[in-house]
Amino acid sequence: NAGVTQTPKFQVLKTGQSMTLQCAQDMNHNSMYWYRQDPGMGLRLIYYSASEGTTDKGEVPNGYNVSRLNKREFSLRLESAAPSQTSVYFCASSDLSRAGYTFGSGTRLTVV
Amino acid sequence: TQLLEQSPQFLSIQEGENLTVYCNSSSVFSSLQWYRQEPGEGPVLLVTVVTGGEVKKLKRLTFQFGDARKDSSLHITAAQPGDTGLYLCAPAVTGTASKLTFGTGTRLQVTL
Repeated sequence: NAGVTQTPKFQVLKTGQSMTLQCAQDMNHNSMYWYRQDPGMGLRLIYYSASEGTTDKGEVPNGYNVSRLNKREFSLRLESAAPSQTSVYFCASSDLSRAGYTFGSGTRLTVV
Repeated sequence: TQLLEQSPQFLSIQEGENLTVYCNSSSVFSSLQWYRQEPGEGPVLLVTVVTGGEVKKLKRLTFQFGDARKDSSLHITAAQPGDTGLYLCAPAVTGTASKLTFGTGTRLQVTL
């Protein structure tokens, strides 16, 4: 099925560990996004990529890095995880039309 | 960053009741989108409203875009448990990717 695939679905990290969240889309969309969603809050933009080869900071970029590996893939890296990064992370893509964003099913990350 | 405020933040109603949720901003939008996020999943696009004063219906859901294109509402008639979820509004991302962000969301619980 066409869409956005995120891996892993669940992850537990110890404080200070690093990890990369993977995201791939097969809809030939140019723009891709990473959001985090905390309990009782909406979606907050971490980073986005308007097109292959470009990335820009969103609202809450501190503690994260991203790589737009190719048109399909956009990864999010936590270099030194902190408990404040415990959240659900969503990747999304868009063709910048009124068709809107297509979201993945999320990665639930717990940092202990 | 354009700020979207949604109200109410939480709503718990019984099956069969009607409800309205709101999305407000001080900014003018060319178009606006509504998403629904079910527990454990990513948001899914419900509708895009484009013209000031526009009304769109999706079964029991009625969406309206304000005349000045600064606000929107979602009315649900005869709510069902399947309507439970987080309702989010966002400016439609068209043309160029940007930091356009989602509203804070309305969490709806419909009980039997």
